[in-house]
Amino acid sequence: AQTVTQSQPEMSVQEAETVTLSCTYDTSESDYYLFWYKQPPSRQMILVIRQEAYKQQNATENRFSVNFQKAAKSFSLKISDSQLGDAAMYFCAYLNQAGTALIFGKGTTLSVSS
Amino acid sequence: NAGVTQTPKFRILKIGQSMTLQCTQDMNHNYMYWYRQDPGMGLKLIYYSVGAGITDKGEVPNGYNVSRSTTEDFPLRLELAAPSQTSVYFCASSYGPEGAFFGQGTRLTVV
Repeated sequence: AQTVTQSQPEMSVQEAETVTLSCTYDTSESDYYLFWYKQPPSRQMILVIRQEAYKQQNATENRFSVNFQKAAKSFSLKISDSQLGDAAMYFCAYLNQAGTALIFGKGTTLSVSS
Repeated sequence: NAGVTQTPKFRILKIGQSMTLQCTQDMNHNYMYWYRQDPGMGLKLIYYSVGAGITDKGEVPNGYNVSRSTTEDFPLRLELAAPSQTSVYFCASSYGPEGAFFGQGTRLTVV
């Protein structure tokens, strides 16, 4: 069975600085998708960034980028130029190609200070 | 484009009561999921569906039932509510590389 592990329950960063959130996963499949979701206090789940396992190029969305290491089964999220609005819980997620397993890590709470 | 719509947003149930959480999506996604999120925790999969007429259990299915008669709708039924079912419930739908799109959640309290 697939698993997703986020080893940092809490992280903090100052405004304008860079922070990296870690995620590792375990799977025996070769094709799958990985995602980072943001959950602010409103509890809405917001898709931040996605990565397809067959693509070697790391995904980037504005200030958000990932470091995808397929062999190491690692998928970290880098937030550059952090803003107060980035404060939220962040979830790493794995989706198998069949769509039958959408699995989340336990989340990392990010706080941003001015 | 409404996306994924969940109703109700809040509900208080008494122990032993039953209720149905509604979920509908307008993106023609085949895959739909129900999760529960306990305070400060991640999301645990209750049930999922890969298409109309097909459902399967997730990690924590006990005390719940689902049906999928159409592509759009995926209701979650709670029978004989218990305090342990107090949680926030999320419905989601997905299409592979696009990722999963979530409803706004239902906060359920069982007293």
